[in-house]
Order: sequence, then structure tokens, then C-alpha cells
Amino acid sequence: NAGVTQTPKFQVLKTGQSMTLQCAQDMNHNSMYWYRQDPGMGLRLIYYSASEGTTDKGEVPNGYNVSRLNKREFSLRLESAAPSQTSVYFCASSDLGLAEGDTQYFGPGTRLTVL
Amino acid sequence: GEDVEQSLFLSVREGDSSVINCTYTDSSSTYLYWYKQEPGAGLQLLTYIFSNMDMKQDQRLTVLLNKKDKHLSLRIADTQTGDSAIYFCAESSYSSASKIIFGSGTRLSIRP
Repeated sequence: NAGVTQTPKFQVLKTGQSMTLQCAQDMNHNSMYWYRQDPGMGLRLIYYSASEGTTDKGEVPNGYNVSRLNKREFSLRLESAAPSQTSVYFCASSDLGLAEGDTQYFGPGTRLTVL
Repeated sequence: GEDVEQSLFLSVREGDSSVINCTYTDSSSTYLYWYKQEPGAGLQLLTYIFSNMDMKQDQRLTVLLNKKDKHLSLRIADTQTGDSAIYFCAESSYSSASKIIFGSGTRLSIRP
């Protein structure tokens, strides 16, 4: 039982390049989330998926797209990376959803640098 | 909009109690959380409290909620070196659906 896994762990991109961050969970959770963490700031929600087949924008969705491929996997895509997207990205999952006060489980993070 | 604020740093002596404070603005907050982040790792949920509770205790952790003042605190008794981490306060509410608002985190360092 690996919990929440993310790939890659580190990535360096040039401005304008695209890439997809992968996330998978093996806990049969319904809800999955993508956050970014910047120095001196808390986590900010980019997108979330309350259940398989649905996705919704969070606080900072601009410049990102997501796909809930199946119940296990939730990917985050940067179509044209910008230096402002340099950050640490965390994927998380929960069974019921945050409004239920359910526990969120976080992946180890992907550290992305955009030059 | 909703906001969660914390002080950025706290330094305590090993064996003493640590108290990390948090204030929030959303009066409709339903759940308030404390997460711990160790270096190079994701966030780990330590505990959470429902808004109709005043206090929750779990081993060395005590959470106090003053709903009137919108103030949340986390007390760690007998602080150990393994408690060194960043602690995030967060809140969610039914009105914000699946959105959770995080504070900027308090870095706790332990002095010998």
C-alpha cells in the first residue's frame, strides 16, 4: 500500500515547454487534489476532482489543466510553462471530500523549476 | 475572502511545551486542521477539530478552538527534536465545498 505517489520528483523546464505531473493513489479514494506550495505561503489549490469523471477549478487554476484518468490517477498538465509556475506541487486524496472533514493524504511532492 | 494567518517561526527548548497559534476569518468554518510537514515530504494530517468543539486532545497534542475570536492553537507537550517541522493550520467549510484554506505555516525549531 504505497498511498499517494507522484512522478517525477524533480523537473527543470524551459519557458514554453509542456509537461504532465502524474499522481496515483491506491486507497480507493473518491477525491483527488493538486496543490502548489510557494515559499512563505501555504498550499493553494489548483484543481480538484470530487469523483471519477469530474474536475473543478481551485484557487489558482490558470495555466494548468487536469485529467482524472480513472479513480486512481489524477494528472496535472502545464501546456506552456512559465517561471511563475516554479513551485513544489503536491497531489492529495481523500475518501469523502474536505467538506466532510475527511483526512487528506499527501504525496511526497514534485519540485518544478521553470527557467 | 477567507484567510488563515500564522506566525512564521517558533523556537522552543527541548522538553518544553510548544504552542502554535492560528487565526482565521471565515465565520462559517466547519473543520479546522493541523498538518505537519517534515523536510522534503508532503503534509501529514496531525489532527482536526469540528467547529462545535472547544478542545481536542490526542496524546501530546492539544487543540484549542476559540470560535468567538476565530483563534486556533496547537500545543505540543514535551517537545522533542522529532517535532521539528513546519506546522500548517487550515480550515474548510460547507460553503467552500471542497476548498481548504491553508495558513503559510509555522516553522518549529527545537533548541537543546
